[in-house]
Amino acid sequence: AQRVTQPEKLLSVFKGAPVELKCNYSYSGSPELFWYVQYSRQRLQLLLRHISRESIKGFTADLNKGETSFHLKKPFAQEEDSAMYYCALISGGSNYKLTFGKGTLLTVNP
Amino acid sequence: NAGVMQNPRHLVRRRGQEARLRCSPMKGHSHVYWYRQLPEEGLKFMVYLQKENIIDESGMPKERFSAEFPKEGPSILRIQQVVRGDSAAYFCASSPAASRETQYFGPGTRLLVL
Repeated sequence: AQRVTQPEKLLSVFKGAPVELKCNYSYSGSPELFWYVQYSRQRLQLLLRHISRESIKGFTADLNKGETSFHLKKPFAQEEDSAMYYCALISGGSNYKLTFGKGTLLTVNP
Repeated sequence: NAGVMQNPRHLVRRRGQEARLRCSPMKGHSHVYWYRQLPEEGLKFMVYLQKENIIDESGMPKERFSAEFPKEGPSILRIQQVVRGDSAAYFCASSPAASRETQYFGPGTRLLVL
């Protein structure tokens, strides 16, 4: 069965510091990986997906199949990046069933 | 486009009552998904529906839970005879198609069972 692990429940950094939110997955096939973000009092929204290879709001994530990881990175964190971040995957057996990690609450301090 | 709408945003029920959660997908979206988030957990898939059809209900508890997406009107997630363990946030998402399309989420309904 597929699983997504986000080892850090809480992550706190200072403004301007680099940030990395970790995500590891277990799935034997070729999953598609996503990062969703939920800002305070807002709905869950897609931040980026590995297949598009985009950089959104300065965030990037690279799929590392060898390490089964999809860590989210940003070189210089901003206060407005403070939010809950969820890593998720869609497995090859289903084109729609998202499996989510438990999330990491990122706080960027001034 | 107002996005995915869910109501109510908060729902309080006593044990044994029924809970009805509504979801209106984004305009042009005919695929609806329900997810449940228990406290301290990630979102977990419950059910996938298209208009008038349940496509995949593999994540639904076997008893007391049902979902529908009628030809007209919102999708409904119904929980009969609620218990305290049903207290959670229930999220609805929609997409224009199912094939790995981005799912757009609603704000969620927070259900509290007393």
